[in-house]
Amino acid sequence: GDSVTQMEGPVTLSEEAFLTINCTYTATGYPSLFWYVQYPGEGLQLLLKATKADDKGSNKGFEATYRKETTSFHLEKGSVQVSDSAVYFCALGPKAAGNKLTFGGGTRVLVKP
Amino acid sequence: GAGVSQSPRYKVAKRGQDVALRCDPISGHVSLFWYQQALGQGPEFLTYFQNEAQLDKSGLPSDRFFAERPEGSVSTLKIQRTQQEDSAVYLCASSSRGTGVVNEQFFGPGTRLTVL
Repeated sequence: GDSVTQMEGPVTLSEEAFLTINCTYTATGYPSLFWYVQYPGEGLQLLLKATKADDKGSNKGFEATYRKETTSFHLEKGSVQVSDSAVYFCALGPKAAGNKLTFGGGTRVLVKP
Repeated sequence: GAGVSQSPRYKVAKRGQDVALRCDPISGHVSLFWYQQALGQGPEFLTYFQNEAQLDKSGLPSDRFFAERPEGSVSTLKIQRTQQEDSAVYLCASSSRGTGVVNEQFFGPGTRLTVL
């Protein structure tokens, strides 16, 4: 079945550092790929998405490119802020019925001033 | 303009009790999903509704779990004879479109269930 693997955390960074969170997936067909973020005390929010190969999703300075050849969707941000401290989830969703999401285990990111 | 709401936010149950968790999706949203998130893990799919029809319940872990959405809006997830392994955060999500279309799912804050 479908699965998502992402790097384990916690990832601890200093402000303005470069952030990369690796995500790889296994799926039948050509899924859509998502990054969700969960800030402390809040619900899951969609951060960005890509629906086909070579698409780049971007939002709030974060970027991720759908790489079909390596089945990856790594999340990057060039200069993190303390406010980026959160748990990040990579997910995939088939384009077929239901669009249920399959999530990775989450990566906790802590940005220190 | 409210988002997805869930109640209660926290529920403590003794082993063997029945619980009911409520989800109010965004008004007009066709699709509604339930997920279970164990501590330190990603959410896992439980079940999916399109309007009042439960189209996928493949993720429900046992026949103790039951979900309904009788009028195509509010949904209730019921767990009978709760067990300690049912302790988790239960997330509800809704989206505005039905099957075949990739669309953003909006998540509620979740209900944290603790079974003693």
